[in-house]
Amino acid sequence: DARVTQTPRHKVTEMGQEVTMRCQPILGHNTVFWYRQTMMQGLELLAYFRNRAPLDDSGMPKDRFSAEMPDATLATLKIQPSEPRDSAVYFCASGPDLAGITDTQYFGPGTRLTVL
Amino acid sequence: AQSVAQPEDQVNVAEGNPLTVKCTYSVSGNPYLFWYVQYPNRGLQFLLKYITGDNLVKGSYGFEAEFNKSQTSFHLKKPSALVSDSALYFCAVRDMGRRALTFGSGTRLQVQP
Repeated sequence: DARVTQTPRHKVTEMGQEVTMRCQPILGHNTVFWYRQTMMQGLELLAYFRNRAPLDDSGMPKDRFSAEMPDATLATLKIQPSEPRDSAVYFCASGPDLAGITDTQYFGPGTRLTVL
Repeated sequence: AQSVAQPEDQVNVAEGNPLTVKCTYSVSGNPYLFWYVQYPNRGLQFLLKYITGDNLVKGSYGFEAEFNKSQTSFHLKKPSALVSDSALYFCAVRDMGRRALTFGSGTRLQVQP
């Protein structure tokens, strides 16, 4: 049963520290998305990649957030320095990119980040 | 810009009764619509999607959704609710020109025994 995996599942850190979240997309999927979920904003897109190339990161605070895909099996989302307002659940999703915009995205379990 | 509205924060229904979770959308061009479910401390699970064709889409766990172009709606339905259906439900639309999903605010479904 193929699924998206994310690590860590929970992270508590202090303001100013660097946070790195990792995602392993489903094997063969070549689109990867990062979403953030908060009570106030709901689910919002941070960035997405196709064939490891970033296509849209307009939802991401550029000064502190960065997203990369070092290889096809790993996507990373980094926050440096972290701030309390970054506390949220961060989801990674992947899709097969077979039919373009009709593709289904499959979500990982999320990383719950708490910045104190 | 595309948008999705879920007008109800919470829906309460008794077990065995039919349920409906409402969703309306606004897009330019053809809509590509999705429903996801989120259980506590879990990721989002895909339920069903509408791309084209039959207005009634069947999905996982006995759920279905009815696409209504004139009312720009895509309501999620189930003929007989289960307590285990209690969860947070999200409607989403695909952005034209990019593959990311735009989500509604979510509707919490509570099924009482």
